[in-house]
Amino acid sequence: SQQGEEDPQALSIQEGENATMNCSYKTSINNLQWYRQNSGRGLVHLILIRSNEREKHSGRLRVTLDTSKKSSSLLITASRAADTASYFCATETGAGSYQLTFGKGTKLSVIP
Amino acid sequence: DAGITQSPRHKVTETGTPVTLRCHQTENHRYMYWYRQDPGHGLRLIHYSYGVKDTDKGEVSDGYSVSRSKTEDFLLTLESATSSQTSVYFCAISERNPGSLEKLFFGSGTQLSVL
Repeated sequence: SQQGEEDPQALSIQEGENATMNCSYKTSINNLQWYRQNSGRGLVHLILIRSNEREKHSGRLRVTLDTSKKSSSLLITASRAADTASYFCATETGAGSYQLTFGKGTKLSVIP
Repeated sequence: DAGITQSPRHKVTETGTPVTLRCHQTENHRYMYWYRQDPGHGLRLIHYSYGVKDTDKGEVSDGYSVSRSKTEDFLLTLESATSSQTSVYFCAISERNPGSLEKLFFGSGTQLSVL
């Protein structure tokens, strides 16, 4: 079963706008990670946020984590056509789990 | 890019035949994973390894077996391929710091078609 679920499933925006994707999960986590996948390629790690952190930034990316609501959001500011991709959240649940469980992803289209 | 190589990149096979996919890493990472990716399901974990000869099942392990005889290689075998195993297969590697898993590095994927 899916631990993380992204919302929305698809998002289409104009270049220069901000894109926000959300992830909800079901059980307590050690950390939550966001990945990006360009069409036909493997996933690339974007950012990791630990359960005791509330917000992290990396370039144009901002990730928040609310463990009380079991949710996270990924904000991409000033989007570019090159940001067009699918974005996945992944969670590690419990000490010693060794596993990341992925959601189904949000497909982002940035229109030039 | 992390040194992960998946082979083959594409394979077409017939129902009932055995298939082995290979993942080779040059990063000396302890943890290795096999995921499959299907439309509407995202990525689902098949099997993973937390050391040489140490493997465990993931969410969708039925019909698959794995082996890891050395750090750098992780093999995924479909003993008797079925059409439901048509998918894109990704290998990933990672390390672990005290308390939590670190980021995964993914290979480029293997497109497997079972006819």
